Amino acid sequence: GENVEQHPSTLSVQEGDSAVIKCTYSDSASNYFPWYKQELGKRPQLIIDIRSNVGEKKDQRIAVTLNKTAKHFSLHITETQPEDSAVYFCAASIPGGSQGNLIFGKGTKLSVKP
Amino acid sequence: NAGVTQTPKFQVLKTGQSMTLQCAQDMNHEYMSWYRQDPGMGLRLIHYSVGAGITDQGEVPNGYNVSRSTTEDFPLRLLSAAPSQTSVYFCASSYWAGQANEQYFGPGTRLTVT
Repeated sequence: GENVEQHPSTLSVQEGDSAVIKCTYSDSASNYFPWYKQELGKRPQLIIDIRSNVGEKKDQRIAVTLNKTAKHFSLHITETQPEDSAVYFCAASIPGGSQGNLIFGKGTKLSVKP
Repeated sequence: NAGVTQTPKFQVLKTGQSMTLQCAQDMNHEYMSWYRQDPGMGLRLIHYSVGAGITDQGEVPNGYNVSRSTTEDFPLRLLSAAPSQTSVYFCASSYWAGQANEQYFGPGTRLTVT
């Protein structure tokens, strides 16, 4: 079945620097790749997503890139701010009959130091 | 719109007790799911549903039952609680047209089994 690996598990950056989180997936038929942000004690919330027919998507300081050949996708946050500190999860859709389902990576704890 | 709601927010059970975690959404989403979140493990899918009367198992279904009698409600039942079921439980819903879309999460239920 589908497997999603996420790296690094922790990331510490200085305010204003960029942060990059990478995920790999195993099933080439996966076609939807969302990223969720979860602040401490809160629910996960979608920050950006990409489908397999697109290579890159941007939303202000956040971008996601997808390399279907290598089966990996990355989250890029530029000009980081303290409020970006949170746990970030990548996910990939599970192909086949249960196409609404997602499998999640184990998360990256991002700390932005002022 | 209230979005996705869950009750209770916190619960303590003794081993062997049963209980039902409630989940409701007011967005008319066909797809609903239950996840558990354990430290360092990301979000793991327990059960899901693509419409009223339709449910199926996810990655970690053992010890849990679900039903979907209406579009709005998707309760999760713990049949005989075990300490291994201590976790944070999230319900999620999404629009579903045969493919994965943004999942909206509820606020979570923190369950402790002693």
